[in-house]
Amino acid sequence: GAGVSQSPSNKVTEKGKDVELRCDPISGHTALYWYRQSLGQGLEFLIYFQGNSAPDKSGLPSDRFSAERTGGSVSTLTIQRTQQEDSAVYLCASSLENSARTQYFGPGTRLLVL
Amino acid sequence: QQQVKQSPQSLIVQKGGIPIINCAYENTAFDYFPWYQQFPGKGPALLIAIRPDVSEKKEGRFTISFNKSAKQFSLHIMDSQPGDSATYFCAASDNSWGKLQFGAGTQVVVTP
Repeated sequence: GAGVSQSPSNKVTEKGKDVELRCDPISGHTALYWYRQSLGQGLEFLIYFQGNSAPDKSGLPSDRFSAERTGGSVSTLTIQRTQQEDSAVYLCASSLENSARTQYFGPGTRLLVL
Repeated sequence: QQQVKQSPQSLIVQKGGIPIINCAYENTAFDYFPWYQQFPGKGPALLIAIRPDVSEKKEGRFTISFNKSAKQFSLHIMDSQPGDSATYFCAASDNSWGKLQFGAGTQVVVTP
């Protein structure tokens, strides 16, 4: 069956440009998470969506980061005015509402800001 | 600051050895402790998880040991194989909706 998919798989951009990263969760999964994985670091929670509830944005590192989830499915993470420290792998995960702690991760988008 | 501290950063064992990865936490509200396995170029995959009401859990060659009083837990890989070479992350959660706090990861290399 189809897992979590993310696009693009790699993105190289120039400092100051905006980027959009896309996540397609597993069909039927109502919860969706974004994490950031910097080189040699663990995963850092960014944002969480659950159904029609207000998202938990407590992990977003600055107001340059935003995310939305349309129709309870696809999510887009937007980074405005990218900085070199934004370079990382951005991972998306999804889960069932009644099994939220069992998260299935996508392969990630590797972002490099030059 | 990192709420879950993981060690070592990396380790190398021979095939058949038992790599052991340790994690420690401070937040006593954590009540779910999963381990994730990540191969290069892939997202992490849930390997095994434990709750604090048990001291040990085994799934195949993977064992979690949990010490609630010490606020520590560890992953043992029995009879390790070269295919187990990966980065392993411990994590912890204190809420039902699944927000996970991850350790920094351990790169495990199993030599033939």
